[in-house]
Amino acid sequence: KNQVEQSPQSLIILEGKNCTLQCNYTVSPFSNLRWYKQDTGRGPVSLTIMTFSENTKSNGRYTATLDADTKQSSLHITASQLSDSASYICVVTSSGGSYIPTFGRGTSLIVHP
Amino acid sequence: DSGVTQTPKHLITATGQRVTLRCSPRSGDLSVYWYQQSLDQGLQFLIQYYNGEERAKGNILERFSAQQFPDLHSELNLSSLELGDSALYFCASSSWDSREKLFFGSGTQLSVL
Repeated sequence: KNQVEQSPQSLIILEGKNCTLQCNYTVSPFSNLRWYKQDTGRGPVSLTIMTFSENTKSNGRYTATLDADTKQSSLHITASQLSDSASYICVVTSSGGSYIPTFGRGTSLIVHP
Repeated sequence: DSGVTQTPKHLITATGQRVTLRCSPRSGDLSVYWYQQSLDQGLQFLIQYYNGEERAKGNILERFSAQQFPDLHSELNLSSLELGDSALYFCASSSWDSREKLFFGSGTQLSVL
């Protein structure tokens, strides 16, 4: 069964600090992995996409990594801002079947001033 | 703005009732997905349509049904509503299966009293 596990479940940091969110998956065969940001009460918005051949991808202060061998990904947030407070969701899509993405439950990040 | 429009934004109804949620995908997107997000829960995949045809089914209850019309808008029908159906219902669209990123609407908040 395809699964995506994220850790930690929640995280509180001070503004300006860095943090790293983790994602482990068992989706196979692998097509791509996306990180989404979901503000409270809003729909998720894609931050990055990682394909099998990509190890690192950056989007401003967000840097995603992918280790396809260990089936792990991380999202590193640098110099956090109050607006980074949100849920970060790891989504993995399989290249087999109907390409339905599998969602993790998300990491809730709170950035305090 | 994701380009995906969902109506209504809020819906309050009573147990046993039936409601219809509406979604207009981004211009040109053929795929429409429906997701349910209960309080403090992850996004649960319900159903996907591609160009009017049902493509994949997730954890959708038999009391729920959906369809995609020739103009590509989609409706999610929820009947015999129960208290546990209270949740945020998101619609998302994409341009080619799930290898393209999902664009989410702002959701419909359903409250069953």
